[in-house]
Amino acid sequence: KAGVTQTPRYLIKTRGQQVTLSCSPISGHRSVSWYQQTPGQGLQFLFEYFSETQRNKGNFPGRFSGRQFSNSRSEMNVSTLELGDSALYLCASSFTGFRGYTFGSGTRLTVV
Amino acid sequence: KQEVTQIPAALSVPEGENLVLNCSFTDSAIYNLQWFRQDPGKGLTSLLLIQSSQREQTSGRLNASLDKSSGRSTLYIAASQPGDSATYLCAVRPPENRDDKIIFGKGTRLHILP
Repeated sequence: KAGVTQTPRYLIKTRGQQVTLSCSPISGHRSVSWYQQTPGQGLQFLFEYFSETQRNKGNFPGRFSGRQFSNSRSEMNVSTLELGDSALYLCASSFTGFRGYTFGSGTRLTVV
Repeated sequence: KQEVTQIPAALSVPEGENLVLNCSFTDSAIYNLQWFRQDPGKGLTSLLLIQSSQREQTSGRLNASLDKSSGRSTLYIAASQPGDSATYLCAVRPPENRDDKIIFGKGTRLHILP
């Protein structure tokens, strides 16, 4: 059974650019959540999608957006990148909350 | 507002010892609690999931307990090995009828000394 797949694994972008990250959940999982992880702040929740609808949103500026497609794959977009956006971005999928979350390996974004 | 705390932030123990990692949360109204491990630069690997109605879960050398009323969970690791070195995180999920998000602790960085 394939796990949660995140692409790309590594990205280097320049300030002001935009970036799109992709997450393919485990087959059958309809919930996808995104997290930002930095050494100083730890894991911070970005948003959660369920059946193509954003169900919850963290405290991030509007430059961070996401969407989910009918096949449950999700994308996250960050526009006008800032140096502080450098982080490990993790995606997690879930069948239901009862069964907990499975995480992908993450996308390491470096903004220079 | 739910807060999750993990103490200690870092821990070093000799190989072979048994150890306990702690996780505390302020709101006892939880749906479940999940323990993860994270190796440097990698994603999170789920270790154990405890539903709110359960008291403990076991997997191999790992045992996680949950005391909802006191807002505490512990992760017990028996006969520690160098391969157990990682950061361990606990995450609390709110009830389904609450529009809240899953909350993570900041983790305990564990180093097993060979």
